[in-house]
Amino acid sequence: QLQLQESGPGLVKPSETLSLTCTVSGGSISSSTYYWGWIRQPPGKGLEWIGSIYYRGSTYYNPSLKSRVTISVDTSKNQFSLKLSSVTAADTDVYYCARLRSSDWYSDLWGRGTLVTVSS
Amino acid sequence: QTVVTQEPSFSVSPGGTVTLTCGLSSGSVSTSYYPSWYRQTPGQAPRTLIYSTNSRSSGVPDRFFGSILGNKAALTITGAQADDESDYYCMLYMGSGIVVFGGGTKLTVL
Repeated sequence: QLQLQESGPGLVKPSETLSLTCTVSGGSISSSTYYWGWIRQPPGKGLEWIGSIYYRGSTYYNPSLKSRVTISVDTSKNQFSLKLSSVTAADTDVYYCARLRSSDWYSDLWGRGTLVTVSS
Repeated sequence: QTVVTQEPSFSVSPGGTVTLTCGLSSGSVSTSYYPSWYRQTPGQAPRTLIYSTNSRSSGVPDRFFGSILGNKAALTITGAQADDESDYYCMLYMGSGIVVFGGGTKLTVL
């Protein structure tokens, strides 16, 4: 059964770059059926889509975050990654990776999420 | 920027029926937005309930029903149970690979 697992530092300093990786296990990231995405959620608040990537590298980003976000894919490692630059305390969130079906544009599989705190 | 709107909170009696909605700050939701619905309990990742307006995700009971009602997407829950008490989020496809979540509805069963 395919699973997603987020990994990366749980603490990032203000103005630095947040970096997370999502490892896909039990299946291949190189599927034409899916995009792979990042979603975040401030503690106690709602979900915000950050962006998505296709295994061939095409990306889509939330316009409000686009200037600070880079999502990349490494098919050899079955992973995709998120970089968010110039972070502030407002970027303290639970970050989820997810699989999105490209035919219906919905997330059918989620990672467990990882809390990233921005603090000095 | 278009905002996806949801009721902040809703309550339903056990065994009752509730309809949550998902709208746009400007315009109407149609099937072309591929509305999907997710349920989330505290500390857990969201779980997919409905996709493409009215298709139930695997394992979701038929008490959960998605539709378009007027100019909004809707999630109807029948026979509400205590463990339906969760946060419910809709997500809409805006085109060009961009999706947007609604602000979520906190459903109370009491």
